[in-house]
Amino acid sequence: DGGITQSPKYLFRKEGQNVTLSCEQNLNHDAMYWYRQDPGQGLRLIYYSQIVNDFQKGDIAEGYSVSREKKESFPLTVTSAQKNPTAFYLCASSGIGQNEETQYFGPGTRLLVL
Amino acid sequence: AQKVTQAQTEISVVEKEDVTLDCVYETRDTTYYLFWYKQPPSGELVFLIRRNSFDEQNEISGRYSWNFQKSTSSFNFTITASQVVDSAVYFCALSEAAGYSTLTFGKGTMLLVSP
Repeated sequence: DGGITQSPKYLFRKEGQNVTLSCEQNLNHDAMYWYRQDPGQGLRLIYYSQIVNDFQKGDIAEGYSVSREKKESFPLTVTSAQKNPTAFYLCASSGIGQNEETQYFGPGTRLLVL
Repeated sequence: AQKVTQAQTEISVVEKEDVTLDCVYETRDTTYYLFWYKQPPSGELVFLIRRNSFDEQNEISGRYSWNFQKSTSSFNFTITASQVVDSAVYFCALSEAAGYSTLTFGKGTMLLVSP
């Protein structure tokens, strides 16, 4: 089945540690996105990528980094510079064209700080 | 700048009641898309509908219906005869109609449907 997978479902980070969240899609979508969700809040855009080897910062990129080496994959690294990383992280992807621009989401990764 | 406001933080209804979730948006774009997503307790966002700004026809899908009014910048969502399975957080979102546009989300409305 086509879809978006995120792993792990839960992730624990220690002080000063970098952690990487995985996002893979087999929908043949060109664009991929990372959002952060805090309790009682909407989603805020961290990074997005419209094409392989290219990505742009979203509204809250500080303390995060991404790469886009393959069309199917868009991993997000939460660095030690991100002082408040506890949140729910959602990855999304979308195609191009009038009927393809809807973003579809993965199941999310919940990041907790130890 | 784009903005989406969902003024209702939480709504509680009893099963079989009708309920309307409000969404008001702001944008300077002449063409744009409006969306509704459902987030059940599992956390994954489920796409419900996308509406183009040039199409003000209301839409009905089963128990769900959407009322788009450009004159009041609103895109409201009504669930008829609500069911317990409708309990979730519902997000309204907005994007430019310009390819690979990012979404601006409202803060969501939590709907609790009790038996």
